Amino acid sequence: EDKVVQSPLSLVVHEGDTVTLNCSYEVTNFRSLLWYKQEKKAPTFLFMLTSSGIEKKSGRLSSILDKKELFSILNITATQTGDSAVYLCTQGSNYKLTFGKGTLLTVNP
Amino acid sequence: NAGVTQTPKFRVLKTGQSMTLLCAQDMNHEYMYWYRQDPGMGLRLIHYSVGEGTTAKGEVPDGYNVSRLKKQNFLLGLESAAPSQTSVYFCASTPFLGSDTQYFGPGTRLTVL
Repeated sequence: EDKVVQSPLSLVVHEGDTVTLNCSYEVTNFRSLLWYKQEKKAPTFLFMLTSSGIEKKSGRLSSILDKKELFSILNITATQTGDSAVYLCTQGSNYKLTFGKGTLLTVNP
Repeated sequence: NAGVTQTPKFRVLKTGQSMTLLCAQDMNHEYMYWYRQDPGMGLRLIHYSVGEGTTAKGEVPDGYNVSRLKKQNFLLGLESAAPSQTSVYFCASTPFLGSDTQYFGPGTRLTVL
């Protein structure tokens, strides 16, 4: 069965710190790896990665996929309090997404 | 466009009662999904639909039924609610085969007493 594991499960940092969130996956029929941000509402899409080694970037957030080692990382530089959220990693295959349990990031001022 | 909407936003049921959650999307998306989210468990797929008139079981389908009579609507039913079904329910949709990006509704918080 498909499995997505995120680490750490929670993380507390100070504003301005850089954080790295990890996601490993074990899956058949892999098609994509996605990252979502969830505040106290619905998950919102951040990135979708399909090719190994190609970094996706949006402002202070970036993500990269390693298909050989079956993992992805999400980097957030110069963190702000507004980055506080649960970050969900999910893998897409067979028209479905399999989610990890998420990483709760808390950014303190 | 309203995107993906869910009705109701909150609901409290007693054990054994039934209810239907409605998901509607106005983006002409083919695929629709129902998830539940529990603390520490992430999002788990209940049922999904790859088109009007079709449904399929996900990871945790027991105790739920679904219907997709119209392309824009996906209904989730609880025939006899149990306290274990207390959760936040999210609906999502994705436009077409080959697109994994799912768009989520705002969620329904359900409490079963």
